[in-house]
Amino acid sequence: DTAVSQTPKYLVTQMGNDKSIKCEQNLGHDTMYWYKQDSKKFLKIMFSYNNKELIINETVPNRFSPKSPDKAHLNLHINSLELGDSAVYFCASSQGASGGYEQYFGPGTRLTVT
Amino acid sequence: AQSVTQLDSQVPVFEEAPVELRCNYSSSVSVYLFWYVQYPNQGLQLLLKYLSGSTLVKGINGFEAEFNKSQTSFHLRKPSVHISDTAEYFCAVNPSYNTDKLIFGTGTRLQVFP
Repeated sequence: DTAVSQTPKYLVTQMGNDKSIKCEQNLGHDTMYWYKQDSKKFLKIMFSYNNKELIINETVPNRFSPKSPDKAHLNLHINSLELGDSAVYFCASSQGASGGYEQYFGPGTRLTVT
Repeated sequence: AQSVTQLDSQVPVFEEAPVELRCNYSSSVSVYLFWYVQYPNQGLQLLLKYLSGSTLVKGINGFEAEFNKSQTSFHLRKPSVHISDTAEYFCAVNPSYNTDKLIFGTGTRLQVFP
């Protein structure tokens, strides 16, 4: 049983295109996240949702728009892709929105923009 | 603002040798502390965490970490490493007063040689 799953695993696309990454968790968690990991392995939070409500929105270009249709899903849509968007994107979930809970990570989506 | 410093970007070590991965954080408030491991081409997995109580925390795979408030450190140790411990290790902090935002260090690549 996959706890946090992401699709697709790899995504290669051209500059200017619009793409989406899907994330689903079957852990019954209330909180979900998107992280970006750059080529130097640096991980930075982008968004966090709790019960479908946005609670963390870091300094991310508004070309990135998260959407949470229900508690188990948090999708990431990216408009007008740029070269600098190339990275590995991780979805994660946790039991609650207060500090101290373990976050469970998906396998990542490697996005390459050419 | 909180930040996390992992002083060593790479740590090479021979199998069965002890290892210490260093982590220092800066925060004016109490924090929760975590170590996550990322095996090649996978998502992150929690090794251990410190929330309160005993400053020595034991995690999975024989790892442990010690919280030192005066030195604002949370170093990760293992007395005898295996080839399978080769991975990227991330220290992270979560301000206990805030929601679930995790701030990650830049990671330490542990390379275990036979």
